[in-house]
Amino acid sequence: EPEVTQTPSHQVTQMGQEVILRCVPISNHLYFYWYRQILGQKVEFLVSFYNNEISEKSEIFDDQFSVERPDGSNFTLKIRSTKLEDSAMYFCASSFPEGLQAYNEQFFGPGTRLTVL
Amino acid sequence: QKEVEQDPGPLSVPEGAIVSLNCTYSNSAFQYFMWYRQYSRKGPELLMYTYSSGNKEDGRFTAQVDKSSKYISLFIRDSQPSDSATYLCAMTATLGNNRLAFGKGNQVVVIP
Repeated sequence: EPEVTQTPSHQVTQMGQEVILRCVPISNHLYFYWYRQILGQKVEFLVSFYNNEISEKSEIFDDQFSVERPDGSNFTLKIRSTKLEDSAMYFCASSFPEGLQAYNEQFFGPGTRLTVL
Repeated sequence: QKEVEQDPGPLSVPEGAIVSLNCTYSNSAFQYFMWYRQYSRKGPELLMYTYSSGNKEDGRFTAQVDKSSKYISLFIRDSQPSDSATYLCAMTATLGNNRLAFGKGNQVVVIP
């Protein structure tokens, strides 16, 4: 069964360093998302991406964050200068539009645990 | 008021019991209501979704939505140890690029 994959599973970095989190969405999906979950907190929406551009972003997704679909299969989240508070589990998700009257399920990857020291 | 509220307290029940979970929300624009299940070290997995108000049943699982009260519920009948997981409610307003708003999740443990 197709699934969303994410690498690495765990990333440890020093404060101020740049990190790139990678995702391979399900191959025929058109919408892509990043969410994060700080330990003990809710899963929070960061950004959605469609047709090679950002569709929506939350207030969390500031200038330190960027997303890219560099090669038609990967979907990346870059954090330019990590802060301690960026430590969280980052989930990638993808979905395929089922039509105007149907909910298009978001399929989530297993997540990347980012630890900023 | 928080957009989606889910009392995050853990829940331990004996096998065969009924599990009852619920969420409240404040955003009247929400139209699609989901329950996700999350096992340890995995991403959320869609369990059920409901459009607007009403009930939906899928095997041992029943989802209820009451838009007038801004209240949704999930019931698990005849709970099994394999149902042990964290259950997250989520909701969204629109189709397409639909930002999901999640509750905090309930950790459910079904004791054999």
